Formats: sequence, C-alpha cells, structure tokens
Amino acid sequence: DAGITQSPRHKVTETGTPVTLRCHQTENHRYMYWYRQDPGHGLRLIHYSYGVKDTDKGEVSDGYSVSRSKTEDFLLTLESATSSQTSVYFCAISGEGTGSYEQYFGPGTRLTVT
Amino acid sequence: GQNIDQPTEMTATEGAIVQINCTYQTSGFNGLFWYQQHAGEAPTFLSYNVLDGLEEKGRFSSFLSRSKGYSYLLLKELQMKDSASYLCAAYSGAGSYQLTFGKGTKLSVIP
Repeated sequence: DAGITQSPRHKVTETGTPVTLRCHQTENHRYMYWYRQDPGHGLRLIHYSYGVKDTDKGEVSDGYSVSRSKTEDFLLTLESATSSQTSVYFCAISGEGTGSYEQYFGPGTRLTVT
Repeated sequence: GQNIDQPTEMTATEGAIVQINCTYQTSGFNGLFWYQQHAGEAPTFLSYNVLDGLEEKGRFSSFLSRSKGYSYLLLKELQMKDSASYLCAAYSGAGSYQLTFGKGTKLSVIP
C-alpha cells in the first residue's frame, strides 16, 4: 500500500470556524489531490498540486484553500466551515512515469460541521 | 466537459458473474480506471485500460471501447467480500493526471 496518512481521521467542528486537514505521503510522489465524497455525487476534486508551491483548483474549490510547502505534505483549509462542507475528504497521490497514472488514496477524514 | 454514467446499484449471487458498465463522454480521453471502495474505506485501484480490448487480472477483467465511449468491469466467481462500490474514472490526458469519477455502482453479493 502507498504510504499516505490523513489527519485527523474524524473531526466535528462548528459553523464559522477554520479547519485544516493534513495529508502526508512517504512515496515522494509529485502529484497530490484533495477530493470530497458525498452520497449521490461520488468523488469530486477540490484542489490538486503538481509540485511544491504549485497548486490549482478543481471542480468544487469554493470555500477551500490548499498549501504545499514540502513534497510530502498537502494541507486543505476550510477558512470558515459551513454545514455544506460536511463530508468525507480523501487525499490521493500519483507519480509520473510510464503508466503511473493511477491515484492512491489515503484513509479519509470524516468532517462534520454543526 | 466530463460526463460519466454507471448504474447506481446492482445485486448478484455468490459464485455468479456480474458486469458493471460505464459510459463516458469527455472532452479528452486517455484512459479508463476502475476502483473498488468498501463501505467506510478508501478507494483502491483495480485496473487501467488505455487501449481497446479486455484486460484480465484474476477474477476481475476490464474492457474498453474508445470508439463507443464504453467500458465494463467483469467480476467472476463472486464472493461475499466483493460487496462494495465500484468507481469508474476517466483520465483526460491533461497535465497533473486528473481523474473524473462516476458516482459509483454499489454491488451487493447475496448468498
């Protein structure tokens, strides 16, 4: 299994508070992604990174920001959490090279905004 | 844009064969992935098809037809542990290896 961890694994927070989720990899992969997964919507890309300090928006980026100061860490921040951001958040990584397009997922963070 | 369709739910009997279909319409296409996701867990990679045809991996096989925008995942000799959601995802070939996922097919295997 790819070495990907996410922290925290579970979090309950109140509306309006800032929240930061961390993704950590030990694979030295260049690409990292944040998804959210909701019933009826499947996995949707929030932000992704293609290198240290290089990030871009995905399909559902409003209300989220990211940072990547080191290859191994990719942080997702909810500046002011809302109930609509209650979801399961997955981090994924991908290497580059011949055929290395598959993404490997972390265990997920279940976030509840009350 | 990207549009990926797969059935929401399927039920099959232990020991049987089941085929999960996926159709896609994408602005660019460079490959099709299948992932398995057990309830409460992360998705895990099953297969990747870039060329037309069938790729076999043990009890699981995946097929791709680029001209028809169609793929299927075939599961043989079903086991109870195969009860899971199966996610179809298209790779557009754009930079950063982004994938677009379908909503998943929840497969229930019954005795």
